[in-house]
Amino acid sequence: GAGVSQSPSNKVTEKGKDVELRCDPISGHTALYWYRQSLGQGLEFLIYFQGNSAPDKSGLPSDRFSAERTGGSVSTLTIQRTQQEDSAVYLCASSLKYQETQYFGPGTRLLVL
Amino acid sequence: QKEVEQNSGPLSVPEGAIASLNCTYSDRGSQSFFWYRQYSGKSPELIMSIYSNGDKEDGRFTAQLNKASQYVSLLIRDSQPSDSATYLCAVNRAGGSYIPTFGRGTSLIVHP
Repeated sequence: GAGVSQSPSNKVTEKGKDVELRCDPISGHTALYWYRQSLGQGLEFLIYFQGNSAPDKSGLPSDRFSAERTGGSVSTLTIQRTQQEDSAVYLCASSLKYQETQYFGPGTRLLVL
Repeated sequence: QKEVEQNSGPLSVPEGAIASLNCTYSDRGSQSFFWYRQYSGKSPELIMSIYSNGDKEDGRFTAQLNKASQYVSLLIRDSQPSDSATYLCAVNRAGGSYIPTFGRGTSLIVHP
């Protein structure tokens, strides 16, 4: 079946612009996760959803970051007033249930000029 | 603060040898442990999961868990050049607020 998909695959934007990153999880997966990975670094947890609710938003780096999930499926990560330090690969993962194996999407490579 | 520690490497082994990757964690409440493989420029993909103390084998891969010593390891037998990648250790805590913790990964190089 189809895996996790993310769009766009690459995004180049100017400092100060807003960006939206989209994640389509595997059908039926109730849990969805967003991570950020900077070049040569490990995975930085941002937020997770159980259904449409996000029990813990403490991983979001600043109030410029927000995320939502609708219909228990698609999720959008929005970064407002982008900064150069936001440049990274943003990875989305989903799992059938909470705390089970995560399946990662291909990521969105964000470059803020 | 929950931490997952891995030696960044690179770990270099010859083709056909056993590669041993180690991971230690600080949270004694951790219940689920995962090894992911990440090729350069690609997303992580699951290699092994382990939940109980002891060894778990899957083909050339063996995961070992010791909760008393708070470490989990991954052994790769008969290493191949195609195993060259970064291996990420991930640790989950059961119950409560869920924040998965990943190590920074160990770079493995298998040379012919």
